[in-house]
Amino acid sequence: EVQLVQSGAEVKKPGESLKISCKGSGYSFTSYWIGWVRQMPGKGLEWMGIIYPGDSDTRYSPSFQGQVTISADKSISTAYLQWSSLKASDTAMYYCARVPDTAMVIVDYWGQGTLVTVSS
Amino acid sequence: EIVMTQSPATLSVSPGERATLSCRASQSVSSNLAWYQQKPGQAPRLLIYGASTRATGIPARFSGSGSGTEFTLTISSLQSEDFAVYYCQQYNNWPPMFGQGTKVEIK
Repeated sequence: EVQLVQSGAEVKKPGESLKISCKGSGYSFTSYWIGWVRQMPGKGLEWMGIIYPGDSDTRYSPSFQGQVTISADKSISTAYLQWSSLKASDTAMYYCARVPDTAMVIVDYWGQGTLVTVSS
Repeated sequence: EIVMTQSPATLSVSPGERATLSCRASQSVSSNLAWYQQKPGQAPRLLIYGASTRATGIPARFSGSGSGTEFTLTISSLQSEDFAVYYCQQYNNWPPMFGQGTKVEIK
């Protein structure tokens, strides 16, 4: 069974750093892309970027380029999303997602989501 | 980037009735269009990709059509579990983009 299990909810202060994780299982982790999708409170879905754990090839949506860093450690089948300096506007639910291919950037499996709250 | 516009924002439908949701792209996305369903407190679920191909395990009452810039998701006979928010998403160009969503509510 394909599973993406994300790390737990976080409460942080503005300016702090954060790294959240997404562990894949039940499939070949290095054969599929992993994406990150943001959902701000009461709002829609936004693609942030994708990474290919096999070689760490990474692509960012322009709105998120330079704002976050996506990485992966294939040895432990885990992808990461990190911030160096959080802002209140980073408060959102973040989903990791399995993506079949760069020619088909859709989500066939989703993580359960990680809620990030940034507040002073 | 391509802008995806969904209509209506909210659709009120009675159980057993047909629901028709629209999605328009600001430029052609060929058939590279997906639909997702999201229920409160849950991650989204893939319903349709390639504009008209149902994902694994999706009931036949869900169907997708269209190509180019105009797309439709039809739910032939709404069940209680179908009341949710539906998003379209283009994947023809980078970055992939979602529409703003259509909420299907009980009339």
